[in-house]
Amino acid sequence: RKEVEQDPGPFNVPEGATVAFNCTYSNSASQSFFWYRQDCRKEPKLLMSVYSSGNEDGRFTAQLNRASQYISLLIRDSKLSDSATYLCVVNREGSARQLTFGSGTQLTVLP
Amino acid sequence: ETGVTQTPRHLVMGMTNKKSLKCEQHLGHNAMYWYKQSAKKPLELMFVYSLEERVENNSVPSRFSPECPNSSHLFLHLHTLQPEDSALYLCASSQEEQVYNEQFFGPGTRLTVL
Repeated sequence: RKEVEQDPGPFNVPEGATVAFNCTYSNSASQSFFWYRQDCRKEPKLLMSVYSSGNEDGRFTAQLNRASQYISLLIRDSKLSDSATYLCVVNREGSARQLTFGSGTQLTVLP
Repeated sequence: ETGVTQTPRHLVMGMTNKKSLKCEQHLGHNAMYWYKQSAKKPLELMFVYSLEERVENNSVPSRFSPECPNSSHLFLHLHTLQPEDSALYLCASSQEEQVYNEQFFGPGTRLTVL
C-alpha cells in the first residue's frame, strides 16, 4: 500500500462547480497534513495545512478524519485559475521534517 | 515569489560531467531539503539539512553529493550521472521546531542527462 494515495484524475469541471479530492494515508502516527498545489512545470506551493478540526480558507475547505486516515479538499465556485495538480502531503512517523507526497490529482476547470 | 531561488533553471549534462546545483533561501529558515521529481512520480525526498548538518539521507546514490555551507545555501554536486537521473530537482526550506513543517519550494532545476 502506498504511504499516500490519491485519485490521479483528471477531474474536468466547469467554472463555478464544486469539486472534492480525497486522499488516504497509511501511517496512523502521522501528525501533520497539507495540501499543496503544483501548476504545470512549476514548483509545489502550499495551499493549506489541514488541522484536526477542519479548516477553511475562502473557497477551500480541508477535512481530516484520523480514524479513517483520510484527508479531503473541497473547492467551491471553481475558477479557471484553480486548474493545477493538487498534492496531498503527510509527515512520516517520527519526523516532522520528512514529508511524503502523494502523486497528485489533476484538476482542469473549463470555461 | 517563494523566497527560495535555484540555479541553473535548466541543465543538460553528459554522463561524465561534473556539475553543481545551487539553492538559496531568503526566508530565515534553518532547514533545507533536496527533492527529486520524475515524470509521473511523486516527489522523492533526497536529503535534509537542519542547522547546516545533514540529518537525513534517503538512500541516495553517492553520485549525488549535497553541501550546506550555511543556513541560507544548499548545493547538490553531481558526477557520473545516469540518464535515469533526468528529472526536476527541487530545493525547499522550512523552519524547524514547528509541528506543522510547512516547506517552501524553489522553482527547480530541470536536469537532462545524455
